[in-house]
Amino acid sequence: SSEVTQDPAVSVALGQTVTITCQGDTLRNFYVSWYQQKPGQAPVFVIYGKNNRPSGIPDRFSGSSSGNTASLTITGAQAEDEADYYCNSRDSTGTHLIFGGGTRLTVL
Amino acid sequence: QVQLVESGGGVVQPGRSLRLSCAASGFTFSTYGMHWVRQAPGKGLEWVTLIWNDGSKDHYTDSVKGRFTISRDNSKNMVYLQMNNLRADDTAVYYCAREVWFEYLSRGVDVWGQGTTVTVSS
Repeated sequence: SSEVTQDPAVSVALGQTVTITCQGDTLRNFYVSWYQQKPGQAPVFVIYGKNNRPSGIPDRFSGSSSGNTASLTITGAQAEDEADYYCNSRDSTGTHLIFGGGTRLTVL
Repeated sequence: QVQLVESGGGVVQPGRSLRLSCAASGFTFSTYGMHWVRQAPGKGLEWVTLIWNDGSKDHYTDSVKGRFTISRDNSKNMVYLQMNNLRADDTAVYYCAREVWFEYLSRGVDVWGQGTTVTVSS
């Protein structure tokens, strides 16, 4: 299968830890990227590969992967982390990118 | 400063054409593959197309194959998306994005433009 799936919505209490997951067969062979998107804004690249953060991304964001599941963890969620989060991977041929359907994170 | 700036969006009737442009700056453009990703109103991100760094190959999602064409001009640091025979379900914000490779030949996009809106409506 060339699909990746995400839970539509997740919530977390302010300051607590939350994990957002992404599942798909392609994830057994390739790492994902994670993107944060706030309303009316372009996506922002927040985690990639095994567990890499682009410059400027807070260290409360981390990534992990096991089998067909990739995870984005926010340790000590802040109000400004409320956003949609998307994972993406490549397909087996390397000719297409695949995006998950997105997870809306609510910080309570 | 690495930057992508899209332009060319607008309102167009079904069946008509539109050409989007993306101006890149702040990096060696000719060494990067470039993508277009779209987002329909209230929906998630959808990958549309990719062009290799040298323009030698391109790939498309099935729903736009035969209607959309991606191209680039490395002398001008520009990438384009020619959209023909537009349909209502092509209505979306279109983002230009720079390709990134990482472990085990995994890939994604690391830099995004601000997007340009395409509305297909009669």
